[in-house]
This record gives sequence, C-alpha cells and structure tokens, in this order.
Amino acid sequence: DSGVTQTPKHLITATGQRVTLRCSPRSGDLSVYWYQQSLDQGLQFLIQYYNGEERAKGNILERFSAQQFPDLHSELNLSSLELGDSALYFCASSDGTGFEKLFFGSGTQLSVL
Amino acid sequence: TQLLEQSPQFLSIQEGENLTVYCNSSSVFSSLQWYRQEPGEGPVLLVTVVTGGEVKKLKRLTFQFGDARKDSSLHITAAQPGDTGLYLCAGRDNQGGKLIFGQGTELSVKP
Repeated sequence: DSGVTQTPKHLITATGQRVTLRCSPRSGDLSVYWYQQSLDQGLQFLIQYYNGEERAKGNILERFSAQQFPDLHSELNLSSLELGDSALYFCASSDGTGFEKLFFGSGTQLSVL
Repeated sequence: TQLLEQSPQFLSIQEGENLTVYCNSSSVFSSLQWYRQEPGEGPVLLVTVVTGGEVKKLKRLTFQFGDARKDSSLHITAAQPGDTGLYLCAGRDNQGGKLIFGQGTELSVKP
C-alpha cells in the first residue's frame, strides 16, 4: 500500500460528460502529480501541485483542470469527454524535495463510451 | 521536449535467464529513476541514480547510469516469475523539473 488513495477506482461515462477524479496524498506529502496512462502513449505527465500551488504543467488539455486544496487532497476535472480520453489516470505524491520519490495510487480507470 | 526511449518494448524469457533493459535519451538528465508496475497497480520506485557512471544493486537487479547521464540500463540476473511486470524509466526534466517516463518494457518471465 503506497498510502496514496484514489477514487473512484473505475468510472464509466459518456462522451460530452464531465467527471472528477480525487486523490488523497500520503500523510505529510506536499506534492501531488497527475499522470495519464494509455496503451499507445504510455505514462504522460499532466500536472503537478506543491502545497496548493501549480508547480509544473505537462501536455494537459484545456478541457482538463486540476487543483490542490488546503488539506492537500487534489482533484482532476475532465470535461467534454471524448472517446480518446479513456485511460488510466494516476495520482502520485512526494515530499517535493531533492530527488523526489513518487508514490503512486492504484489509479482510476476511465472509460468513455 | 526531452524524451526517454526504452528497449525492448516486450521481453518474454524463461525463468533463470538474464536480461537487460535499456533507457536512452539525447538529453542529459539530472537524475533517473526506475519503476516497476504490476497490472492494476501504480508504478513502484525501484531505484534513483544521480551520478554519471553510478551503479546500484538491488538483490538480482543492477542499475547503471551512463557517464554522460543520458542513458541507463537495468540488468536482471536469474529472472524469476515474480519479476514479471512493466519496467519504466523516468527522468527529471531540466526545464521545470517535471518527471517524464519512458514507454516501458513489458517483461514476462515464464516458469
């Protein structure tokens, strides 16, 4: 158990809909990362937050947004969903210092039908 | 954009065999990590290498960081079925510090 909790584990929705994925980091970790994993693209970095502030941004679509709350949990919002958004979405946390060791959650499997 | 290329993409071997997985880039990385991912789970960190030429051993796994810090390798000795999984290398981007991943090597060790 990595200590990172992601909910829900599975999500099935239709095109055009909006969903929210939730992540609770390990106790004491200030940094939260979001990644998207698909068979053809591999593990793609979306965005990173550190203590509530955006720290780094990857190739995150404009339809996607994220935030980190004062209690350090994070949410990833995906809107106007398309078939191609179907993927495994991972959250990871770290203490945000030095050569960071990332602890990954078990992921949310999103299926857009 | 810094990219990490892993080879081979797929590897199927018999228990007891040795194998090497490669992670290459044209860019220099300040550090490089190796993760292992099992089906239905998130990646788990195996090792971090930070110095050019560094070699780290973890039981039957040997990790090496290239002298120029552009490449790395993972060597497994006497592979076991429990080594089966997706092996990912990850490097810290020099621009902004985000952690980028290679495409992964899917290893299957048959008993």
